[in-house]
Amino acid sequence: KAGVTQTPRYLIKTRGQQVTLSCSPISGHRSVSWYQQTPGQGLQFLFEYFSETQRNKGNFPGRFSGRQFSNSRSEMNVSTLELGDSALYLCASSPLMTYEQYFGPGTRLTVT
Amino acid sequence: QQPVQSPQAVILREGEDAVINCSSSKALYSVHWYRQKHGEAPVFLMILLKGGEQKGHEKISASFNEKKQQSSLYLTASQLSYSGTYFCGTESGNTGKLIFGQGTTLQVKP
Repeated sequence: KAGVTQTPRYLIKTRGQQVTLSCSPISGHRSVSWYQQTPGQGLQFLFEYFSETQRNKGNFPGRFSGRQFSNSRSEMNVSTLELGDSALYLCASSPLMTYEQYFGPGTRLTVT
Repeated sequence: QQPVQSPQAVILREGEDAVINCSSSKALYSVHWYRQKHGEAPVFLMILLKGGEQKGHEKISASFNEKKQQSSLYLTASQLSYSGTYFCGTESGNTGKLIFGQGTTLQVKP
């Protein structure tokens, strides 16, 4: 089975711009979670989608949003980028709740 | 509430054992353990559901004390390949929302 794929792998944006990141889960997985990883804050939960519905949301401002499509692919969007948004954004898929999560390679976002 | 992992870092020689602890202030439904090597994505090791069960994966095992809201990861006879950062992820209720600890960096030396 193909693993979780994320595009793009690297991205450089300027403060104030917006960005959209994409995640394709493992075939058959219906749950997709997003995480932000930084050296200072570690792995922080952004949100989780299941069957196109956002079930859980972390403590991030409204500038961070996401969605899931009928084929389980997911996108996350960050508007009005700030320098502090520079991070590795990881997507993870899971067949169901409380099952192991399979992480993608991540998208490295740099905001200048 | 982020779970607290201890120790923050540990250095071992090949063949030595290590224990990594994960403690939460909230009642837990499940605990997940992941290992992340430098420049790579986290990889699933095991999941423990409430009930105090212990699981094993090769020479890596874990326990979950539901009453104490703690989990421990045991690495026995460590190998060089065990090096990396270990994260525990906790779930309060069957919600699918996983909160990760800050990570424990493990370095195994020859």
